[in-house]
Amino acid sequence: GAVVSQHPSRVICKSGTSVKIECRSLDFQATTMFWYRQFPKKSLMLMATSNEGSKATYEQGVEKDKFLINHASLTLSTLTVTSAHPEDSSFYICSAPEPWGETQYFGPGTRLLVL
Amino acid sequence: AQSVTQLDSHVSVSEGTPVLLRCNYSSSYSPSLFWYVQHPNKGLQLLLKYTSAATLVKGINGFEAEFKKSETSFHLTKPSAHMSDAAEYFCVVSDNPMRFGAGTRLTVKP
Repeated sequence: GAVVSQHPSRVICKSGTSVKIECRSLDFQATTMFWYRQFPKKSLMLMATSNEGSKATYEQGVEKDKFLINHASLTLSTLTVTSAHPEDSSFYICSAPEPWGETQYFGPGTRLLVL
Repeated sequence: AQSVTQLDSHVSVSEGTPVLLRCNYSSSYSPSLFWYVQHPNKGLQLLLKYTSAATLVKGINGFEAEFKKSETSFHLTKPSAHMSDAAEYFCVVSDNPMRFGAGTRLTVKP
């Protein structure tokens, strides 16, 4: 099956710094990718839809200036958490839909801890 | 908009006994439905999917799910639980993007 990777797998940063998370589709192209956030023992919450060549679409309540998304190519989307604060600590997961169907392939996730 | 409701936040079974994880969906048209599993500290893995073909869908690791339009349900079952099945299970509806249920934590007792 298709593979989606994320980097880094975990990151610890100081409050006020910015952190970039990469999501790559390794063996297929994705014009659209999705970013989710998962709190401990909770479900996945969709944050935004990343669109190659255009602006990302954010879900209601998600600050676009806080969570910057760039879909640089057909295989790469990045999520930058700007001026991170402890409440931004979470598990961030990206996904990309297979070009030939409806199945989403998920990255392994990035655990962010802001001190 | 489509949505899913997972009726149990936690299910506990003994090893070797059947597993039933319940999911109801809400949709104005025939949806595509999925079950994903998430093991601790691991990524989401697709178990099975329904895309308007056969109503009984077989997935990996012995799991299967039946799409019942009359009951708007897509329950996940397995005849005999294994210790390795302990994980978080998500029922998902494809609404481009996907919408996740709240999850059901499956515990398997020896």
